[in-house]
Amino acid sequence: DAKTTQPPSMDCAEGRAANLPCNHSTISGNEYVYWYRQIHSQGPQYIIHGLKNNETNEMASLIITEDRKSSTLILPHATLRDTAVYYCIVRPNFGNEKLTFGTGTRLTIIP
Amino acid sequence: DTGVSQNPRHKITKRGQNVTFRCDPISEHNRLYWYRQTLGQGPEFLTYFQNEAQLEKSRLLSDRFSAERPKGSFSTLEIQRTEQGDSAMYLCASSPLAATTLEQYFGPGTRLTVT
Repeated sequence: DAKTTQPPSMDCAEGRAANLPCNHSTISGNEYVYWYRQIHSQGPQYIIHGLKNNETNEMASLIITEDRKSSTLILPHATLRDTAVYYCIVRPNFGNEKLTFGTGTRLTIIP
Repeated sequence: DTGVSQNPRHKITKRGQNVTFRCDPISEHNRLYWYRQTLGQGPEFLTYFQNEAQLEKSRLLSDRFSAERPKGSFSTLEIQRTEQGDSAMYLCASSPLAATTLEQYFGPGTRLTVT
């Protein structure tokens, strides 16, 4: 699986958009970008994933650059409940069932 | 609709004792995963079941660790002769066999403290 690089921590004001970057310069053509988050004392929670097109769901938007070497997870109107560690994971959709988590980005939403 | 449940939520044990954790996946989810998470780190994969078959084990899963899923429903993770280095959060996740994505549903975890 391709290696990912994320900033260790970020702050964002409540109500503003939180933009979390992820670099994955060694991503290969069949690898997807997945985002999970982990709120304190809970298990990780799936947020969104994409291959090359931008994706949006009820939780977030995922913007993947044209060369696919980096991506940004956007939480459009951050709330205090979005305070969590966010993990960017790059891997094929099939053939290897495990998720490989890095250390993620600790996002703190400030009131 | 209940999510993945894990029991117990917390376990404190003395070094050398055996412990067993249980995971109940979401009903009809064929795939079940165990992960371990230490403080400040992301979860690390331990093992994976498809129905009752254990299909992959990490090198992290030493011979003191054993996982079972006897009827393809709930799973147990046993640690024998616990060591202080086993102190961690043990997470279970499940997903349906027909899944076309890597969306895994995680339980709340069992926090193990070895004294």
